[in-house]
Order: sequence, then structure tokens, then C-alpha cells
Amino acid sequence: GAGVSQSPRYKVAKRGQDVALRCDPISGHVSLFWYQQALGQGPEFLTYFQNEAQLDKSGLPSDRFFAERPEGSVSTLKIQRTQQEDSAVYLCASSLEEAGTTDTQYFGPGTRLTVL
Amino acid sequence: AQKVTQAQTEISVVEKEDVTLDCVYETRDTTYYLFWYKQPPSGELVFLIRRNSFDEQNEISGRYSWNFQKSTSSFNFTITASQVVDSAVYFCALFSSGGSYIPTFGRGTSLIVHP
Repeated sequence: GAGVSQSPRYKVAKRGQDVALRCDPISGHVSLFWYQQALGQGPEFLTYFQNEAQLDKSGLPSDRFFAERPEGSVSTLKIQRTQQEDSAVYLCASSLEEAGTTDTQYFGPGTRLTVL
Repeated sequence: AQKVTQAQTEISVVEKEDVTLDCVYETRDTTYYLFWYKQPPSGELVFLIRRNSFDEQNEISGRYSWNFQKSTSSFNFTITASQVVDSAVYFCALFSSGGSYIPTFGRGTSLIVHP
């Protein structure tokens, strides 16, 4: 399809494991965003990229969280030494224009991470 | 600081009823944008509407309508003649320059439409 895709859709990890979550944005979209959505809450901003440059990572909750977008297309969110509080849905969104504008963001279906 | 309040946690209606979802926002910026997204059980947020702070005209799109009132800092969303397929969580979001254009989402309102 032509939308944002994310994989895996579901991930179960044991506490202490590392996980990697993938996002494929809409082709040609310049900006890419990651959000964390806890149960019953709205999405909370984690980080965003403009092409391959990570322009803001102020929302990353700890240094265990790391994101990259090396070629300005696919992005990976990595969580090291997962903790139970990391359990959430991780949403990816992309937009056509440069970050810092109010261009509409289009969201993927999310990855539901459960840390046991 | 930016804030979006969706005071209604859950609304339950019977099909064909009209329903209004409330959104109240706070920002010090004079230029800002407001959005509504729908999140069905599949999890993907679906874009519904975007409105900038200089355009207070109400908008209607089929069964959906939006009432933007700067005087009360509200951007409410009405579904007319609700249908079961409208069941979802609806989020209001605020973007502004003071927030570095990082969106602030409300906590969402869960709408359940019963047949």
C-alpha cells in the first residue's frame, strides 16, 4: 500500500532484551516522527527526522532509546535493556514537508510492545 | 506551554444519534493549528481535519462538522446520525510555533456507537 507501514505489529520482550522497531514512511516524505502511546493516553512525541537528520530527540525518555534514519527513508527505533515501563504502542508518522511546519502527519498502525 | 484537554473519556450513543466531542486547548501563540484524528481498533491514526488559528469558519464534511471558537479556545467535533463504524478513539491535537511544531495530543475520547 501507499501508507506508512510498521513492523512488527506486535512484539513481546523479556525485561532486559533489546528491541528494534521499523518504520517505512510514505515514499517521498521528508519528515518522520516517532511517538509513544501508553494505554488510554494520547501519543507522546519521542523524536523526529528531516531526511536523515535527527532534528529533535527531546522526547526520548532515556538513553536506552535510540532512533536512526540513515538514508532518509526507513527508520528504526531501538530500545536497549527494555523495562516494563517501556510497554506501549510505538507510532510512526511521516509528512511531506520539512519538520517545523504544520504539514499533516500520516500515521502507521503502530507496534505494540509488551515487556514481561 | 501547550495543553489539549478532552474532558470526555468515553461516550456511548445509539446509532443515528448526534454526538459532539469536546476539545479545549491552551497556547500562548497567535499562530497555531488544530487537528482531529480518529483511531479505530486497528490502531492507525486517521487524519480528519486541520484548521489554522486564523480561520474560524466552521466546516462540514458529510456527517462530520467542526466548530472552532477562539473566544473559548475550543475546537469541537460533531458527528451527525452516528453509525457503528464511527466507533473509535478520537484525538484532538495542537501544533504551534511555541511548541516547536511538535504536536500536543489530548488524551482522546472513546466513542462507542451501539446498533
